[in-house]
Amino acid sequence: GQNIDQPTEMTATEGAIVQINCTYQTSGFNGLFWYQQHAGEAPTFLSYNVLDGLEEKGRFSSFLSRSKGYSYLLLKELQMKDSASYLCAVIDSNYQLIWGAGTKLIIKP
Amino acid sequence: SQTIHQWPATLVQPVGSPLSLECTVEGTSNPNLYWYRQAAGRGLQLLFYSVGIGQISSEVPQNLSASRPQDRQFILSSKKLLLSDSGFYLCASGTSGSGDTGELFFGEGSRLTVL
Repeated sequence: GQNIDQPTEMTATEGAIVQINCTYQTSGFNGLFWYQQHAGEAPTFLSYNVLDGLEEKGRFSSFLSRSKGYSYLLLKELQMKDSASYLCAVIDSNYQLIWGAGTKLIIKP
Repeated sequence: SQTIHQWPATLVQPVGSPLSLECTVEGTSNPNLYWYRQAAGRGLQLLFYSVGIGQISSEVPQNLSASRPQDRQFILSSKKLLLSDSGFYLCASGTSGSGDTGELFFGEGSRLTVL
């Protein structure tokens, strides 16, 4: 079967750095997304990785290793507004999106 | 970029009543359209997707149905709601295929409570 694993919940301190991991086992791979979802709202796009390596976008970076079936989202200089759930999703060989359950990130002052 | 309008935002319905959630898309033509349901603390569950007018694929057997009467309109319906239908419903629009990131644009979501 197809599976996306990410931690259920993480806690970090304002101003610090946090890394949210995602591992996947899917039938084929055509890219990996990270989305941010604030409570009660729709997910919003953060990043897309299809090649190995690090993609940096401001305070957020996303890393992919296709051989290891592994990605992480790195958030720097954490702000209170970063408190949200972070969803990892993989496009499989049929171009279907497989979603992880999300990681709830709690930021403490 | 695309804009997805979804309504109603909040709905409280009795068991056995009908349901209609509507979604319209601006800023693109011939999108792939999706209905997802998200239960508390769980990932997005794909319910239906559509690659064109009148073309609906169902991912999960259930008492819900979907229709696409126009290119940028997607409707989620039920004739008789069950308690288990409660959840947060999201409409999404995107494209797919090689050479495309396949990024999804989401509507604001509809929170359905069945009592």
